[in-house]
Amino acid sequence: QKEVEQNSGPLSVPEGAIASLNCTYSDRGSQSFFWYRQYSGKSPELIMSIYSNGDKEDGRFTAQLNKASQYVSLLIRDSQPSDSATYLCAVNTWNTGNQFYFGTGTSLTVIP
Amino acid sequence: ETGVTQSPTHLIKTRGQQVTLRCSSQSGHNTVSWYQQALGQGPQFIFQYYREEENGRGNFPPRFSGLQFPNYSSELNVNALELDDSALYLCASSLPGTNTGELFFGEGSRLTVL
Repeated sequence: QKEVEQNSGPLSVPEGAIASLNCTYSDRGSQSFFWYRQYSGKSPELIMSIYSNGDKEDGRFTAQLNKASQYVSLLIRDSQPSDSATYLCAVNTWNTGNQFYFGTGTSLTVIP
Repeated sequence: ETGVTQSPTHLIKTRGQQVTLRCSSQSGHNTVSWYQQALGQGPQFIFQYYREEENGRGNFPPRFSGLQFPNYSSELNVNALELDDSALYLCASSLPGTNTGELFFGEGSRLTVL
């Protein structure tokens, strides 16, 4: 079983719509959860982090965490063509020396 | 810009050769991690260095080795290159013991093994 699983997509949404990205993880000891955005040919850049159950909002982005269900999601409101990228879910467990486990990423395309 | 720099950005090697990749961490970050990202996959943890000591290793063979220097910069060495080693190699710096545990990635070194 993979540590972190994501739907690979591709996910296509029209401009202005809400994009919903989902991620599940297997290690109940996981404590920190991150969403990275990766444009084609570039390195991942951090867009959201979340550490406790519930929602965390930052501009057009909302991360949701449910530790009981081992589930993390990212909502992108008012999607823009510039949001077109691969979104990587990452999970960190402190007792593994700050090792991050990444999902395979979900490819998002926002159609103008 | 994360302040993490990697070199070289691109390189081509043949099977059996050896390669050294270099990374300078963000100022003040004393922890460096290396990840391998194959095409269409998420980054896979190779190892992490903290204060010049290896501090965790992923499921990679011993021909993947590393170093961290007193200025916190780091090297990744790969011996006896195989075709499957073709990937983007990412260096990330971080501050251990913080509540955030965020990784700051460099732009990566793209290795092609022929």
